[in-house]
Amino acid sequence: KAGVTQTPRYLIKTRGQQVTLSCSPISGHRSVSWYQQTPGQGLQFLFEYFSETQRNKGNFPGRFSGRQFSNSRSEMNVSTLELGDSALYLCASSGGDFSTEAFFGQGTRLTVV
Amino acid sequence: GIQVEQSPPDLILQEGANSTLRCNFSDSVNNLQWFHQNPWGQLINLFYIPSGTKQNGRLSATTVATERYSLLYISSSQTTDSGVYFCAVERSNYKLTFGKGTLLTVNP
Repeated sequence: KAGVTQTPRYLIKTRGQQVTLSCSPISGHRSVSWYQQTPGQGLQFLFEYFSETQRNKGNFPGRFSGRQFSNSRSEMNVSTLELGDSALYLCASSGGDFSTEAFFGQGTRLTVV
Repeated sequence: GIQVEQSPPDLILQEGANSTLRCNFSDSVNNLQWFHQNPWGQLINLFYIPSGTKQNGRLSATTVATERYSLLYISSSQTTDSGVYFCAVERSNYKLTFGKGTLLTVNP
């Protein structure tokens, strides 16, 4: 069974631009969550979606947003990119109930220049 | 929020040696997972272990939920075991909180 798929794998953007990242969960999984990994801050939670509803959100500015579609695929968007947004963005999928195992995709490495 | 501390931060071993990585957490949890991050950045699932003991080949893990810690054991280490090991916990709020990781280097 296919794993979590993230696209694109690599991105280079200019300060001020916006970017959209995509995540397709494991078939049958209804929860998708997003994490940002940087050398300074480590792995930080961005948000989680289940059945198109955001159930939890991390401490990130409003420039970071996301959504989930009826087929459970999710996108996250970052507007007005800053140099500090350069990071590895990881998506995870799980069944959706409390405390079920999360599985991660390969990540999207975003570089802002 | 919940705090997750991993130790040691760095560990250097010779191939064939055994090691123990520790994860302490500050409050009760419903989920605890161990991951190995590969050189390309993907988090590979090692164990889903909110309590008890599990084994998978040369790796095993134990979580003592009442004392708020988990241990990951690696036996007969190989160079391919090198990388960063993360512990992550969840408190029924749909988010994983990660420790800062243990960087393991296994030398031939």
